[in-house]
Amino acid sequence: GAVVSQHPSRVICKSGTSVKIECRSLDFQATTMFWYRQFPKKSLMLMATSNEGSKATYEQGVEKDKFLINHASLTLSTLTVTSAHPEDSSFYICSARDPRGGPNEQFFGPGTRLTVL
Amino acid sequence: AQSVTQLGSHVSVSEGALVLLRCNYSSSVPPYLFWYVQYPNQGLQLLLKYTSAATLVKGINGFEAEFKKSETSFHLTKPSAHMSDAAEYFCAVSAYSGGGADGLTFGKGTHLIIQP
Repeated sequence: GAVVSQHPSRVICKSGTSVKIECRSLDFQATTMFWYRQFPKKSLMLMATSNEGSKATYEQGVEKDKFLINHASLTLSTLTVTSAHPEDSSFYICSARDPRGGPNEQFFGPGTRLTVL
Repeated sequence: AQSVTQLGSHVSVSEGALVLLRCNYSSSVPPYLFWYVQYPNQGLQLLLKYTSAATLVKGINGFEAEFKKSETSFHLTKPSAHMSDAAEYFCAVSAYSGGGADGLTFGKGTHLIIQP
């Protein structure tokens, strides 16, 4: 099946710094990737849709200046958490749609645990 | 807009017993429905999906789900629970608008506990 990777798997940073998370589709080209956020013992919340070669589409309530998304190639999307604060600590998961799969079938990365001190 | 309701944040069953995890959805257009499993500190693995073909869908690890439009439900079942089934399970819905892809709307998840 399709494989999606994320890097890093864990990151700890100081308040006020920026953190970049990478999401890669390893064996397929993904024109569309998605970024989700998962709070402890909570469900996943869609943050934004990342489209290759165009601007990301953010869900209501998600600060686009805070969470910068770049989809520079068909296999890579990055999420940058700018000026991170403790409330940004969370589990961030990306997914990618494999065009070879069923309708809207998405494959998820293993997630990135962000801890802001 | 879509929404998903998973009844029961925690479900406990004995090993070998039937597993039933409930999911009800709301969608203004014909939905695509998914069940995912998540193990601690890991991403999500697709168990099965409904995409308007057969209403009874079989997935991996012995799981299956039945789409019931009249009840707006997509409950997940497994005849005999195994200790390795202990995990968090998420039901998700999306609407395919044709030519593109939509993000998924997830339920709040059900933590499945298997008693020995």
